[in-house]
Amino acid sequence: AQSVAQPEDQVNVAEGNPLTVKCTYSVSGNPYLFWYVQYPNRGLQFLLKYITGDNLVKGSYGFEAEFNKSQTSFHLKKPSALVSDSALYFCAVKKDKIIFGKGTRLHILP
Amino acid sequence: GAGVSQSPSNKVTEKGKDVELRCDPISGHTALYWYRQSLGQGLEFLIYFQGNSAPDKSGLPSDRFSAERTGGSVSTLTIQRTQQEDSAVYLCASSLASLSADTQYFGPGTRLTVL
Repeated sequence: AQSVAQPEDQVNVAEGNPLTVKCTYSVSGNPYLFWYVQYPNRGLQFLLKYITGDNLVKGSYGFEAEFNKSQTSFHLKKPSALVSDSALYFCAVKKDKIIFGKGTRLHILP
Repeated sequence: GAGVSQSPSNKVTEKGKDVELRCDPISGHTALYWYRQSLGQGLEFLIYFQGNSAPDKSGLPSDRFSAERTGGSVSTLTIQRTQQEDSAVYLCASSLASLSADTQYFGPGTRLTVL
């Protein structure tokens, strides 16, 4: 069975500092991995995805994520956080079907 | 172009009533998904449609939930005899196809409140 975990319910980061939102997964074979963001009172928006190739994937709004097969992780990162990055972030894994994590609320403190 | 739209944006109903939620996917997208988002529970998969294939209903929580997709486009999620635990945001998403790494595009959701 496939699963995805976001171990942190909430992450607080000071503006200008680097941020990391963690995601680990469990699936046999090679999955597709996604990050989505949900801003307050809005639908989910696609940020980036990993299919194959380079382990470092760059996405929207300056975000990137690194696929680590040995650690089965796909952590979301950004070098310098903005207050406007405050939102709910979802990791998802897709093999047979897509499964979303429970989400991590990111607070960027001014 | 137009994105995924959902209606109504908000729905308040009384326990025991039936409700219908509508989703208009992006034109040309053959895959359509329904999810439920409850506070602190993340996204719960409900059902998906892929072209003319039989839908995957494995996520529907009870037989009070059903969905249909007419003409491969608009979809309606129906909840019969609503219960208070059905209160949540219901999200619809579409993608070009489901058997690939295609990105899902989400609608704004319908917030359902069952009193």
